[in-house]
Amino acid sequence: SQQGEEDPQALSIQEGENATMNCSYKTSINNLQWYRQNSGRGLVHLILIRSNEREKHSGRLRVTLDTSKKSSSLLITASRAADTASYFCATDGNQFYFGTGTSLTVIP
Amino acid sequence: EPEVTQTPSHQVTQMGQEVILRCVPISNHLYFYWYRQILGQKVEFLVSFYNNEISEKSEIFDDQFSVERPDGSNFTLKIRSTKLEDSAMYFCASSEAWNSGANVLTFGAGSRLTVL
Repeated sequence: SQQGEEDPQALSIQEGENATMNCSYKTSINNLQWYRQNSGRGLVHLILIRSNEREKHSGRLRVTLDTSKKSSSLLITASRAADTASYFCATDGNQFYFGTGTSLTVIP
Repeated sequence: EPEVTQTPSHQVTQMGQEVILRCVPISNHLYFYWYRQILGQKVEFLVSFYNNEISEKSEIFDDQFSVERPDGSNFTLKIRSTKLEDSAMYFCASSEAWNSGANVLTFGAGSRLTVL
């Protein structure tokens, strides 16, 4: 399985603070993606980083990838209450397996 | 913006009954997926589908499950004889590419299945 595993499992921060989530995986990859899931809703794609990239930005999102350590991090800067959701990483392959996610709570 | 639509949004059924969940993927997408999420648990891969056949399936996708693309737009998941443990949210997803480095999944809003 090329499932990614996120940590921490849960994270609670104040609005305006930065949130950092980590993902570890086991096999070599072509790309890694981060998705967000609001409670009871489908997953929404946030950002994709390819294996030859080390860092990528999209708005308030910053993703890093370290293929030597088989890990990735997602940083959300200046968090907002609307960022409250679960965040998942997923690696490529014939199936997309998702980990258990990081549940982020942003307190207004 | 194109979206994946799923029906019904919520279905309640009796144990042992057959259920069909429907999905309309994005029109130019070629790859289709079903996932399920039991309440409070992780999103689990069930099956992927391409060119009118199953590409991959997980161990969850046993003989009671089947998928079909009956026409050019719908993609269905059938559960033949539902069990209590089939109660979950079922998500359909589609993607344009396959393992090409740009395989971004677009998910539907989900169908909640409650088996009594």
